[in-house]
Amino acid sequence: AQRVTQPEKLLSVFKGAPVELKCNYSYSGSPELFWYVQYSRQRLQLLLRHISRESIKGFTADLNKGETSFHLKKPFAQEEDSAMYYCALSPSSTGANSKLTFGKGITLSVRP
Amino acid sequence: DTGVSQNPRHKITKRGQNVTFRCDPISEHNRLYWYRQTLGQGPEFLTYFQNEAQLEKSRLLSDRFSAERPKGSFSTLEIQRTEQGDSAMYLCASSLGRINTEAFFGQGTRLTVV
Repeated sequence: AQRVTQPEKLLSVFKGAPVELKCNYSYSGSPELFWYVQYSRQRLQLLLRHISRESIKGFTADLNKGETSFHLKKPFAQEEDSAMYYCALSPSSTGANSKLTFGKGITLSVRP
Repeated sequence: DTGVSQNPRHKITKRGQNVTFRCDPISEHNRLYWYRQTLGQGPEFLTYFQNEAQLEKSRLLSDRFSAERPKGSFSTLEIQRTEQGDSAMYLCASSLGRINTEAFFGQGTRLTVV
């Protein structure tokens, strides 16, 4: 069975500070990892996925298979980054089954 | 808004009543998912459809829950004999179901059972 762990519930930083949102997973196969974000009063939306290797809104995440981690990082936080962030896992890297297993989420609060 | 649409947005019902929610996916998406989210938790998978076929159901989906997607377009999720523990946000998502496709979420239906 797959599991996603986000060990912290809240991260509060000042604008311009670095951010790291932690995510660890357990899965016996080759998963696909995602970060989803939910801004206030908006729907859940995809932020980035490990397979794309992109930087979205200044955020990056590297899949570390040895540590089974997929931490989300941003060097300089902005106030508009304040939101709920969820790490998620899909059981197949081919995307043939997009069923997602989510972590509990973390609230990021960026203070001015 | 051409994204995933869910109705109603909010539903308050008395314990023991039946409720039905509707999800309209993005039109060309052949995969449709239902998730449930309770306070302080991430979304939890309930079930998914490939076109009209229901391919997987979670153990969370008790026999009081039933989901349909009769023509491979919109889907309904029905909860019979609601219990207070059913109070949650019910999320629908859709995707193309091909390689490396993204799941797009609706805004959810918030159910409160009193």
